[in-house]
Amino acid sequence: ETVMTQSPATLSVSPGERATLSCRASQSVSNNLAWYQQKPGQAPRLLIYGASTRASGIPARFSGSGSGTEFTLTISSLQSEDFAVYYCQQYNYWPPLTFGGGTKVEIK
Amino acid sequence: QVQLVQSGAEVKEPGSSVKVSCKASGGTFNSYSVSWVRQAPGQGLEWMGGIIPAFGTSEYAQKFQGRVTITTDESASTAYLELTSLRSDDTAVYYCATGEYLVMGCWFDPWGQGTQVTVSS
Repeated sequence: ETVMTQSPATLSVSPGERATLSCRASQSVSNNLAWYQQKPGQAPRLLIYGASTRASGIPARFSGSGSGTEFTLTISSLQSEDFAVYYCQQYNYWPPLTFGGGTKVEIK
Repeated sequence: QVQLVQSGAEVKEPGSSVKVSCKASGGTFNSYSVSWVRQAPGQGLEWMGGIIPAFGTSEYAQKFQGRVTITTDESASTAYLELTSLRSDDTAVYYCATGEYLVMGCWFDPWGQGTQVTVSS
């Protein structure tokens, strides 16, 4: 199975600052990678697919990059509603489809 | 866009089974895949399996093989997850989510609201 590793586990950022989240795959997944945001008590929400394509309705401050085994989610200027947990997911090798362990973005 | 509405919370005893439903509101699954993902308390997301209703084909994570069955009733626009031989570590929130057209290996959007399943004696 393709193991997805996210870092850091927790990221402390001040509102208005940039946040950079990393996701690494145990083998190349090409650009078959998605990012999700999850707030407490809510279902995950799709942010990015195809490593860099924003889902419908997602603000431009969210951007994804990378291919192969290294991926990055960047939030250019953190808003109060962006403090949440973020997960990456690969869909190149399956079953199983696999998620990273998550990065919690908290207020500094 | 279709919304996914899941059935309510369940409390089950160890060794029993649970069946969770996921109804497509305001539309149908059509030919989109449907997957089930669970989240144990304080933990990350875990894909359990999925189905493409148009083909009736399903795939499961090896971890759950033999204990999980995913089905759909297209006339009711509803997908089901059945998990048997429940253990305490099956306590989790179970989500359904739709994927892409005729593809199971894909991203998920939208997601259902989640169903809490608690396994306790």
